Amino acid sequence: DGGITQSPKYLFRKEGQNVTLSCEQNLNHDAMYWYRQDPGQGLRLIYYSQIVNDFQKGDIAEGYSVSREKKESFPLTVTSAQKNPTAFYLCASSTSKDRANTEAFFGQGTRLTVV
Amino acid sequence: DAKTTQPTSMDCAEGRAANLPCNHSTISGNEYVYWYRQIHSQGPQYIIHGLKNNETNEMASLIITEDRKSSTLILPHATLRDTAVYYCIVWIIQGAQKLVFGQGTRLTINP
Repeated sequence: DGGITQSPKYLFRKEGQNVTLSCEQNLNHDAMYWYRQDPGQGLRLIYYSQIVNDFQKGDIAEGYSVSREKKESFPLTVTSAQKNPTAFYLCASSTSKDRANTEAFFGQGTRLTVV
Repeated sequence: DAKTTQPTSMDCAEGRAANLPCNHSTISGNEYVYWYRQIHSQGPQYIIHGLKNNETNEMASLIITEDRKSSTLILPHATLRDTAVYYCIVWIIQGAQKLVFGQGTRLTINP
């Protein structure tokens, strides 16, 4: 099945450790996105990438890093510099080839808890 | 920055039509209006999108005003499973595709 996969679903880490969240898509989409969601809040954009080997900061990029070495993969690293890393993280992908029929597909999220 | 304004919460009786408004007064000519919904602790689900004409699919209808400054998502016969947070987004489909969500509307369907 085509789709976007985030793993793991739940992740626990000790404070001060870097952690990498996986996001893979087999939809042949050019664009990929990472969002953070805190309880009762909307989605906030962390980073996005329009094409391989290129990415841009979103609204809350501090303390996070990404890479886009392959079209299908867009991993997010939560570094020790992120003050409040505990959150629900969502990855999305989209295409822009068909202007009228573009939508973004979301993964099911990774819930990160830092203790 | 989010370019849409939605009510924080709404209630609707089961079986009735749920009408969710959205203001996007600064929308530009090459931006679409998209609607997504998010059920607790899941990834957002696409519902519908449109440019300037009204749209309908198996899930909902989208009514966009003639000046495109606002829109309404209509769930024609709401069920308990439609309880979710609904996000209205304007999205440019060319160049930089920064996709920004607002706070959304928490819709509660009551039995």
